[in-house]
Amino acid sequence: DTEVTQTPKHLVMGMTNKKSLKCEQHMGHRAMYWYKQKAKKPPELMFVYSYEKLSINESVPSRFSPECPNSSLLNLHLHALQPEDSALYLCASSQDRGRWDTQYFGPGTRLTVL
Amino acid sequence: AQSVTQPDIHITVSEGASLELRCNYSYGATPYLFWYVQSPGQGLQLLLKYFSGDTLVQGIKGFEAEFKRSQSSFNLRKPSVHWSDAAEYFCAVNDMRFGAGTRLTVKP
Repeated sequence: DTEVTQTPKHLVMGMTNKKSLKCEQHMGHRAMYWYKQKAKKPPELMFVYSYEKLSINESVPSRFSPECPNSSLLNLHLHALQPEDSALYLCASSQDRGRWDTQYFGPGTRLTVL
Repeated sequence: AQSVTQPDIHITVSEGASLELRCNYSYGATPYLFWYVQSPGQGLQLLLKYFSGDTLVQGIKGFEAEFKRSQSSFNLRKPSVHWSDAAEYFCAVNDMRFGAGTRLTVKP
């Protein structure tokens, strides 16, 4: 099974809402990633977790709060977002954090902030 | 500074024709190089990757790529394109720094 699942598929939220995105993998991977992808743009790395510890935060605003409760699960908590945060949020996982490790991507959550 | 460039924003080819998508990188050492494909509204799928060894790399779905150090390029090729290959293609280096992408349209 090489599947990364993400829920929900679509999310619409107001600027005062609090919501969470969920990502799950059961491949035994120890590295997990969040990316943000605006329309017609490449993905941009946001966070990297390695062995359930945050190892990279690409200067992401604090209104995005990642969490890795266990090795299979990755959450992205959202609070007080801005309309410009509307994007496709992609989760990925890899066996380890090495640059050679293949990343497996989920289908993404399409987020719209009103 | 490290960077990856995909010079072609959009390419249209006829079904059955050959395809070459360009990727140029700027990096101090030999980088890890990747090609990903993204269908509309979907996540990314790895087509192939290269770090060392044979400069011609075979990937999935009939794709191949050739690393040319002298040209700092890692171009993706396919001898005969299928309609299902229509998608966005991203070249990436090392730490998942992506190029801007090339959108492929396939004409019947």
